[in-house]
Amino acid sequence: GDSVTQMEGPVTLSEEAFLTINCTYTATGYPSLFWYVQYPGEGLQLLLKATKADDKGSNKGFEATYRKETTSFHLEKGSVQVSDSAVYFCALSPPGGGADGLTFGKGTHLIIQP
Amino acid sequence: SQTIHQWPATLVQPVGSPLSLECTVEGTSNPNLYWYRQAAGRGLQLLFYSVGIGQISSEVPQNLSASRPQDRQFILSSKKLLLSDSGFYLCAWSSGGAKTQYFGPGTRLLVL
Repeated sequence: GDSVTQMEGPVTLSEEAFLTINCTYTATGYPSLFWYVQYPGEGLQLLLKATKADDKGSNKGFEATYRKETTSFHLEKGSVQVSDSAVYFCALSPPGGGADGLTFGKGTHLIIQP
Repeated sequence: SQTIHQWPATLVQPVGSPLSLECTVEGTSNPNLYWYRQAAGRGLQLLFYSVGIGQISSEVPQNLSASRPQDRQFILSSKKLLLSDSGFYLCAWSSGGAKTQYFGPGTRLLVL
């Protein structure tokens, strides 16, 4: 079945550092790929998405590129802020028109220190 | 714009008691609806999804059930809670054939 693997952390960085959170997936065909962010005590917010190979999703300074050849969707940000501290989830939805649920990675806890 | 509500926000229940969590969506019609559970230190697990009133698909066998009595209402229930039912329950919606899901604020359930 489908699966998503991401580094679990915690990942601790200093403010203004460069961020990479790795995400790789296993799925048939061309799934849609997502990054969600969860702040303490809250639900998940969609951060960005990509629906086909070589697409780049971007939002709030975060970027991720859909790489079919490496089955990856790594999240990057050039300069992180303390307010970026949260848990980040990589997820996929299989291709096709069905109302399939998302398959999530276990989440990466990011801590940004001032 | 669309909004999704969940209540209660927090719930503490004894083992063996019943459960009812509610999710409602505003600003859209005929959404796909989903229940996920997030256990401590783990990712999200899909429990149920629904493509229409009265249509429920279960992904994981357990002592939970779901119902969709109205187009934009999704209910998660249990007749007798177990300790292992503790967790953070998230409701989500998507529209038509779109793949993007939007999540509610969640309900934190603690079974003692």
